[in-house]
Amino acid sequence: NAGVMQNPRHLVRRRGQEARLRCSPMKGHSHVYWYRQLPEEGLKFMVYLQKENIIDESGMPKERFSAEFPKEGPSILRIQQVVRGDSAAYFCASSPTGRTVNTGELFFGEGSRLTVL
Amino acid sequence: LAKTTQPISMDSYEGQEVNITCSHNNIATNDYITWYQQFPSQGPRFIIQGYKTKVTNEVASLFIPADRKSSTLSLPRVSLSDTAVYYCLVEKGYQKVTFGTGTKLQVIP
Repeated sequence: NAGVMQNPRHLVRRRGQEARLRCSPMKGHSHVYWYRQLPEEGLKFMVYLQKENIIDESGMPKERFSAEFPKEGPSILRIQQVVRGDSAAYFCASSPTGRTVNTGELFFGEGSRLTVL
Repeated sequence: LAKTTQPISMDSYEGQEVNITCSHNNIATNDYITWYQQFPSQGPRFIIQGYKTKVTNEVASLFIPADRKSSTLSLPRVSLSDTAVYYCLVEKGYQKVTFGTGTKLQVIP
């Protein structure tokens, strides 16, 4: 059973370009979470999605960032007009339920590292 | 959201038991305590979760006192491969969980 798959693992963009990060959750998981990690910092929640629905995007910057989780295919985190401050590791996690009390863990991917030149 | 406080870093020699304590003074009744481990350039990995008293699995033990205002992750006989960042989280099911900066454990040969 494959784990959470993220691609690309590394992405280099110039300022002003667009970055698209993909996440395929574990088989049977219908809930996806995106986190951002700056160097030497903890992970910060960005957005929580179910299939075709954004449940909580309170951690997403108001501009340039968007996320989707279509009925078919991976979840995508899209960053438009990237700036140097967007350089970070972006992690995706999935869970089989909405993590009601005591459903335990999130399963994380290996991350996508974005470098903005 | 309950805020957690844990040491920034710890050193330990191989073979020793390591205890990492996390403070969460304003933990709520429905909150669970969860610990994750993160190696460099990898995503976090779930270690253990508990609500009260003691929980043990094949990797670690989690001790939670009666007042639940703190918790201690215990790693028995650490090896070099246990060098990682350990995050303590307090959560009740879904919420916008922020991991904090965690405890950077360095295991020394």
